[in-house]
Amino acid sequence: EADIYQTPRYLVIGTGKKITLECSQTMGHDKMYWYQQDPGMELHLIHYSYGVNSTEKGDLSSESTVSRIRTEHFPLTLESARPSHTSQYLCASSEGQPGEQFFGPGTRLTVL
Amino acid sequence: GIQVEQSPPDLILQEGANSTLRCNFSDSVNNLQWFHQNPWGQLINLFYIPSGTKQNGRLSATTVATERYSLLYISSSQTTDSGVYFCARINNNDMRFGAGTRLTVKP
Repeated sequence: EADIYQTPRYLVIGTGKKITLECSQTMGHDKMYWYQQDPGMELHLIHYSYGVNSTEKGDLSSESTVSRIRTEHFPLTLESARPSHTSQYLCASSEGQPGEQFFGPGTRLTVL
Repeated sequence: GIQVEQSPPDLILQEGANSTLRCNFSDSVNNLQWFHQNPWGQLINLFYIPSGTKQNGRLSATTVATERYSLLYISSSQTTDSGVYFCARINNNDMRFGAGTRLTVKP
């Protein structure tokens, strides 16, 4: 079944740790996105990709980085996590222009 | 800047009641989506609706792009409809979300 996956679902880490949030989709979509959402608030786009080797920053500034080496995989990395990074991170993918976006289940990150 | 405004921000209903959620957007859109975010944070796609009206069971949506608004109708609400409803307007690859409507359906 075509889907979009995120791991881990929940992560609690200490300040200064390097982390990578994984996102994979089996829908064959060329476009992928990362959003950040604080509890009860709207989603903000932090990164997106049009395809392999393409990455762009979204409208919300983020200290995270992304890579797109394979079509189906779009990991997000924080080199040194801080409490201000505590949030939910949602990955999405779409096809076409404009395309309907489909979301993964999210990663809830807590940095102590 | 680009604005996506949702109303009402909060809505409490008795099970079985009907409701209308509104989404206003400040610029032209290529498309618009409605989502339901469940208590576990998962965003569920409800409608992908550039214009016109679509229906899916007890839910329906109408977008009037020329007047820059979209409506989501929920009929015969159930407790499982509780959660946050977001609209998002799409232009090319620029997706902007509203702040959501938090719906609570009481038994």
